[in-house]
Amino acid sequence: KAGVTQTPRYLIKTRGQQVTLSCSPISGHRSVSWYQQTPGQGLQFLFEYFSETQRNKGNFPGRFSGRQFSNSRSEMNVSTLELGDSALYLCASSLADGGMNTGELFFGEGSRLTVL
Amino acid sequence: KQEVTQIPAALSVPEGENLVLNCSFTDSAIYNLQWFRQDPGKGLTSLLLIQSSQREQTSGRLNASLDKSSGRSTLYIAASQPGDSATYLCAAPGPDSSYKLIFGSGTRLLVRP
Repeated sequence: KAGVTQTPRYLIKTRGQQVTLSCSPISGHRSVSWYQQTPGQGLQFLFEYFSETQRNKGNFPGRFSGRQFSNSRSEMNVSTLELGDSALYLCASSLADGGMNTGELFFGEGSRLTVL
Repeated sequence: KQEVTQIPAALSVPEGENLVLNCSFTDSAIYNLQWFRQDPGKGLTSLLLIQSSQREQTSGRLNASLDKSSGRSTLYIAASQPGDSATYLCAAPGPDSSYKLIFGSGTRLLVRP
């Protein structure tokens, strides 16, 4: 059974550009969430989607957005990139049933974004 | 507001030693708590998930306990090996929604041969 797949694994952008990251969850998983990991702030929640609906959003500016498709695949977009957006972006999926308990989260290898 | 704290921040032990990693959380109204392992430059690997109705979970040489009343969880690693060297993270759901996890800052473990 394939795990969570994130693409691209590495990317370099310049300030002001935008970036789109992709996440394919484990087959059958309908919940997808995104996290940002930096040395200074650690792991911080970005947003969570279930059945194409965003159920929760973290404390990030509006430049960070995401969506989920009908096949549960998800994308996140960051517009007008800043130097501080350099981070490892991690996607996780779970076998959530729509209730409050997310169950066990499984993470991908991440997309490492460097903003110059 | 849920806050998760892990101590120690770093730990260095000789191979074969048994060790305990600690995790504390401020809001005990949680559905579950999860322990992860992260190798340098890699994603997170799920180690153990403890549901709120459970007191402990075991997987191989790993044993995790959960005490909601005291807001504590421990990860016990038996007979440590150099391959156990990694950062260990615990995560608890946020109080306003269980759709997100609040992570501790991790314990960086080095097991010396």
